[in-house]
Amino acid sequence: AQSVTQLDSQVPVFEEAPVELRCNYSSSVSVYLFWYVQYPNQGLQLLLKYLSGSTLVKSINGFEAEFNKSQTSFHLRKPSVHISDTAEYFCAVSEGDAGNMLTFGGGTRLMVKP
Amino acid sequence: DAGITQSPRHKVTETGTPVTLRCHQTENHRYMYWYRQDPGHGLRLIHYSYGVKDTDKGEVSDGYSVSRSKTEDFLLTLESATSSQTSVYFCAISGTSSGNTIYFGEGSWLTVV
Repeated sequence: AQSVTQLDSQVPVFEEAPVELRCNYSSSVSVYLFWYVQYPNQGLQLLLKYLSGSTLVKSINGFEAEFNKSQTSFHLRKPSVHISDTAEYFCAVSEGDAGNMLTFGGGTRLMVKP
Repeated sequence: DAGITQSPRHKVTETGTPVTLRCHQTENHRYMYWYRQDPGHGLRLIHYSYGVKDTDKGEVSDGYSVSRSKTEDFLLTLESATSSQTSVYFCAISGTSSGNTIYFGEGSWLTVV
């Protein structure tokens, strides 16, 4: 069975500082990896995903994540955060094609301070 | 906008009463899911559907049932609500045209008192 661990439940950071949100997974097969973001009282929005190909994937708002198969990790990074990045971030994994379910980590609350 | 509508968005109900949450999609996707979100647990799968009248259990299915009589609608029913079912419920969809990506609705906040 697959599982996802987000090592930090909360990450406080000052505006314009870099940030890394850590995600590790366990699975016995090839996986697809996702980061979702949730703003207060809203649903989950897809931030970025790794399906195949380049192990470095990027979002339109400056986040990036790198799939590291040997370390079974998919850490999320941003070189300079904004107040508007304050949200909860969820790492998730699925083991195959559409129709296969997502397994989520417990979430990391990113708190950007001025 | 992923074309998913959940209703009701907020509900308070009493212990022991039945509750039905509705998910409606306009994307004609084959797969639909119900997740619940609780602090520290992320999202956990309750039930999912892979077609009309085709459903299966997820990780936390006890106390819940689902039905899918049409492609666009997926209903989640709590037959007799308990306080442990106080949660935020999210519907999600995926299909061939979405690739391997699951898209989520805005959530339904349920409080059982």
